[in-house]
Amino acid sequence: KQEVTQIPAALSVPEGENLVLNCSFTDSAIYNLQWFRQDPGKGLTSLLLIQSSQREQTSGRLNASLDKSSGRSTLYIAASQPGDSATYLCAVIGGGSNYKLTFGKGTLLTVNP
Amino acid sequence: DAGVTQSPTHLIKTRGQQVTLRCSPKSGHDTVSWYQQALGQGPQFIFQYYEEEERQRGNFPDRFSGHQFPNYSSELNVNALLLGDSALYLCASSLNSGITEAFFGQGTRLTVV
Repeated sequence: KQEVTQIPAALSVPEGENLVLNCSFTDSAIYNLQWFRQDPGKGLTSLLLIQSSQREQTSGRLNASLDKSSGRSTLYIAASQPGDSATYLCAVIGGGSNYKLTFGKGTLLTVNP
Repeated sequence: DAGVTQSPTHLIKTRGQQVTLRCSPKSGHDTVSWYQQALGQGPQFIFQYYEEEERQRGNFPDRFSGHQFPNYSSELNVNALLLGDSALYLCASSLNSGITEAFFGQGTRLTVV
């Protein structure tokens, strides 16, 4: 059974700081890994998708890496801003005939002005 | 492109009642998945529909059922509501096999009293 863990559960940083969010998964047989952002009471916004054959993806100030063999991914946020405050969720889609996204519990990020 | 749209946004029901939630996928997407998210938790997979068939199901009781229409829109039905069914219900759409990028709607907040 695939399990996804995100560390830390919460993070508070001053504006302008670079930060790293961590995600680990137990079964390395995945199709891809996706990072999402969720604002309170809202739906999920897709940030980055990394396919299993890729090592990293970049979008603006965000960079996500994937080490499938070790079951780890990191989301790097450069020059954080108060508007980045949200919960960040990591999810994987398993291999074989498993098409569901398995999520971690998320990291609650607060960027202080 | 309107993205993934869900209705209603909020709903209050009484224990024992039945509820139907609706989802219209992103234009061009043919696969719809439903997730339940309790407060402070990551979304949990309920089921996925592709070509109007339930392709995969998570660990949810038979009280949870769904349907996908020829236009790819979908419904989630929950019978005999329990207090524990109170949650944010999220719909995600993706292309064909479901291993491509998933896009989520804004969710339906269901409160059972």
